[in-house]
Amino acid sequence: SQTIHQWPATLVQPVGSPLSLECTVEGTSNPNLYWYRQAAGRGLQLLFYSVGIGQISSEVPQNLSASRPQDRQFILSSKKLLLSDSGFYLCAWSVWSSGNTIYFGEGSWLTVV
Amino acid sequence: AQSVSQHNHHVILSEAASLELGCNYSYGGTVNLFWYVQYPGQHLQLLLKYFSGDPLVKGIKGFEAEFIKSKFSFNLRKPSVQWSDTAEYFCAVNAGSQGNLIFGKGTKLSVKP
Repeated sequence: SQTIHQWPATLVQPVGSPLSLECTVEGTSNPNLYWYRQAAGRGLQLLFYSVGIGQISSEVPQNLSASRPQDRQFILSSKKLLLSDSGFYLCAWSVWSSGNTIYFGEGSWLTVV
Repeated sequence: AQSVSQHNHHVILSEAASLELGCNYSYGGTVNLFWYVQYPGQHLQLLLKYFSGDPLVKGIKGFEAEFIKSKFSFNLRKPSVQWSDTAEYFCAVNAGSQGNLIFGKGTKLSVKP
């Protein structure tokens, strides 16, 4: 069966510091991969999605970036964090054959101080 | 552009009460419809989904949802809620099998024992 792993689970970082959140999927090939941010009262915001290695689409302009160095690895990064980057970040995967049903990782709580 | 509206931000019910959470979407073509649930401190989990066929979809834990195409709605229902149903519920839509998932802002359900 497919599993998704995301880490770290919680992170407290000072303003201006870099960020790296990692996500890996097991048990499937060539998944679509996603990074979402969940902020209180604002629902889920799609940040990036990827349909293949090196293919990244950005949904919102911001100081975050994403990379997909391997088929089942998706990384969310920032060179300099802002206070407004605090939130709950969710990695997710899907495959076209299942109607693009999205399955989420357990999320990473980021607090920028 | 697609959008998803969940009109209730917070619903408070007593145990055994019936539940209906509204979800409306804006997209004129073929859609796949989803409800996700996020229990306190946990990640998002798929509750149920509709791709085609019977518009009344049964999900886990006694939940069901009805797709009414003429109303662009996919409301979530449960005849008798339990305290353990306390969670945040998200409706989501994608355009066909290859569109990205668009989420509503979520509805918090609090069930009083």
